[in-house]
Amino acid sequence: KQEVTQIPAALSVPEGENLVLNCSFTDSAIYNLQWFRQDPGKGLTSLLLIQSSQREQTSGRLNASLDKSSGRSTLYIAASQPGDSATYLCAVKGANSKLTFGKGITLSVRP
Amino acid sequence: GAGVSQSPSNKVTEKGKDVELRCDPISGHTALYWYRQSLGQGLEFLIYFQGNSAPDKSGLPSDRFSAERTGGSVSTLTIQRTQQEDSAVYLCASSSVGGSGLDTQYFGPGTRLTVL
Repeated sequence: KQEVTQIPAALSVPEGENLVLNCSFTDSAIYNLQWFRQDPGKGLTSLLLIQSSQREQTSGRLNASLDKSSGRSTLYIAASQPGDSATYLCAVKGANSKLTFGKGITLSVRP
Repeated sequence: GAGVSQSPSNKVTEKGKDVELRCDPISGHTALYWYRQSLGQGLEFLIYFQGNSAPDKSGLPSDRFSAERTGGSVSTLTIQRTQQEDSAVYLCASSSVGGSGLDTQYFGPGTRLTVL
C-alpha cells in the first residue's frame, strides 16, 4: 500500500527566504507526482506535475524535483512571500488512477 | 473556461438522514474522482469514474456510500443514514484522460458536510 509522508507538518519562515518542502513515498511504481496548494476553506490548486520519467519541473518561483528510485520529491520555493502562506500537499498517482496524498505542510511566511 | 464546481458548498444534517453531494466536472473531462478530507486523516480517495463506469470503488468506506455519474458529466455522491464520523470536506476532481494517463487532476472547492 502506497504511503506518502510530508515532514514537518508546519513551517514558519521570514519573507524572502528560499525554502524546501519534502515529500517521501514508499512505492516507487508511480505514474506521476503532483504538488498542490490549499488555502483555508478552499479546494486544491495544482502547482506542478512531474511525470515518472522526469526529474524536475519549474513554474515561476517554484521548482519540484523527483527521485523515483529513492521515493523522494522536493518543492523549492524561491524568495518566499506572505502570499505563499498555505498548506502544500504532495500526491502520487499509481496504476489504479487514484492519488495518494500526504497530510501536507502548513507554511507561514512572516512579513 | 469553468472549473470543477460542487454543490452545496456547506451541508449540515442530522444523524441518520441521507445527503446528496453534486459535482460538475470540467467540460470534456472523461475521468472524475471523489475524495474526502477529514481532520487528522488527510485526503482519502473514495471512487473513480471513467465515463459513466466506476472501475475503482475501493475507497468507499461502507455500503452507506454510493456514487453515480450520468451522461459522462455530472456525478452525485450519496451518503445514507449519515453518521457523525461522515463529517468532512468532500472534494471532487476531474481530468481529461484518467486511467494511467499522465494528466493533472483539477479539484473543485469541496462540500463541507457536518453531521450533528
